[in-house]
Amino acid sequence: GIQVEQSPPDLILQEGANSTLRCNFSDSVNNLQWFHQNPWGQLINLFYIPSGTKQNGRLSATTVATERYSLLYISSSQTTDSGVYFCAVNNNAGNMLTFGGGTRLMVKP
Amino acid sequence: DVKVTQSSRYLVKRTGEKVFLECVQDMDHENMFWYRQDPGLGLRLIYFSYDVKMKEKGDIPEGYSVSREKKERFSLILESASTNQTSMYLCASSPGTSGYNEQFFGPGTRLTVL
Repeated sequence: GIQVEQSPPDLILQEGANSTLRCNFSDSVNNLQWFHQNPWGQLINLFYIPSGTKQNGRLSATTVATERYSLLYISSSQTTDSGVYFCAVNNNAGNMLTFGGGTRLMVKP
Repeated sequence: DVKVTQSSRYLVKRTGEKVFLECVQDMDHENMFWYRQDPGLGLRLIYFSYDVKMKEKGDIPEGYSVSREKKERFSLILESASTNQTSMYLCASSPGTSGYNEQFFGPGTRLTVL
């Protein structure tokens, strides 16, 4: 099956700093999503981005499908950005998502 | 907004009990999914359904069954709970529309089996 790798696995930032999270995948995809898992465990949808670039406030994402990677940018980080960020993809008709291992982000005040 | 709800946030059961986890979505989505999340193992798909009364096995279906009698509801059943089924269970749904299949997740159920 498709492999999804995220980097870095852990990231510590000072409040106000910018960061880039990366997601590499091993095959072409129909769907790519970025999620933020909050401290209570809920997965919050950030972006649905099988290709191209999207922005939502301080967050933006770019997927280069031909090169099989996606980037999530966080600007002016805040303590509330802390948590785990997951990239997930699917490349099959069943729409099942394969998740990467996540990036655990801690933003310090 | 899409809303996916799960019947319990926290659940404690004993080994051998039959456990039902319920999931309801309010957006008329065709597809529904059950995942479990474990430290070091990430999120893994247990079962999914693309229509009423239809089900397909995911990566780790052993020890689980599912039921989808109505479009909006997808139930995960642990026939005889075991301690290795202690986990976070996440339900999701997606439209099933060709070309657009964004998944939306419920808040999760933390199940402890003693």
